[in-house]
Amino acid sequence: DIQMTQSPSTLSASVGDRVTITCRASQSISSWLAWYQQKPGKAPNLLIYKASTLDSGVPSRFSGSGSGTEFTLTISSLQPDDFATYYCQQYNSYPLTFGGGTKVEIK
Amino acid sequence: EVQLVESGGGLVQPGRSLRLSCTVSGFTFGYYAMNWVRQAPGKGLEWVGFVRSKGYGGTTEYAASVKGRFTISRDDSKSTAYLQMNSLQTEDTGIYYCTRADTVSGAKYYFDYWGQGTLVTVSS
Repeated sequence: DIQMTQSPSTLSASVGDRVTITCRASQSISSWLAWYQQKPGKAPNLLIYKASTLDSGVPSRFSGSGSGTEFTLTISSLQPDDFATYYCQQYNSYPLTFGGGTKVEIK
Repeated sequence: EVQLVESGGGLVQPGRSLRLSCTVSGFTFGYYAMNWVRQAPGKGLEWVGFVRSKGYGGTTEYAASVKGRFTISRDDSKSTAYLQMNSLQTEDTGIYYCTRADTVSGAKYYFDYWGQGTLVTVSS
């Protein structure tokens, strides 16, 4: 199974900050990586697929990069609506696996 | 507007069965794979499994933790996917989300629309 490791697990930041979340795969997954945002009590929401393709309607302050085993999700200027938990997910091979999540908190 | 609505969750004793349903609207159900993801209380996301569209054979894939106990199926005439859960264990407790799975050539699937989830509690 491919293990997905996110860091940090918790991140404290202020509105306007640039935020970067890292996701590492235990073996190469090419660019088959998605990022999701989940707010408390809500279902996750797709942000990015194929490592860097923004889903429809997702604000342009979100961006994704990487390939192989190292990936990043960047929020260029954190907004109040962005405080949430973020998950990466590989879809290169079965079983499909998620990272453990990164909670972005208000500093 | 794409909508996915799960139903069928509830309290069930260990060893018993439960069937979840996911009824969709706003897109052509038969064109897409349908997928289930669960989340234990206070924990992260865990993939459960999915069923491909008939166009890609209608075959299924499962996580090891549920293989042999859970079965995913679909009824395209009803725009509904199902998750049959047998021999339930306490560790199966959580919110179960139904998702649409988009694909590149039927080989790589990510989850572009999610339902609101249904809570399954396995307890005596």
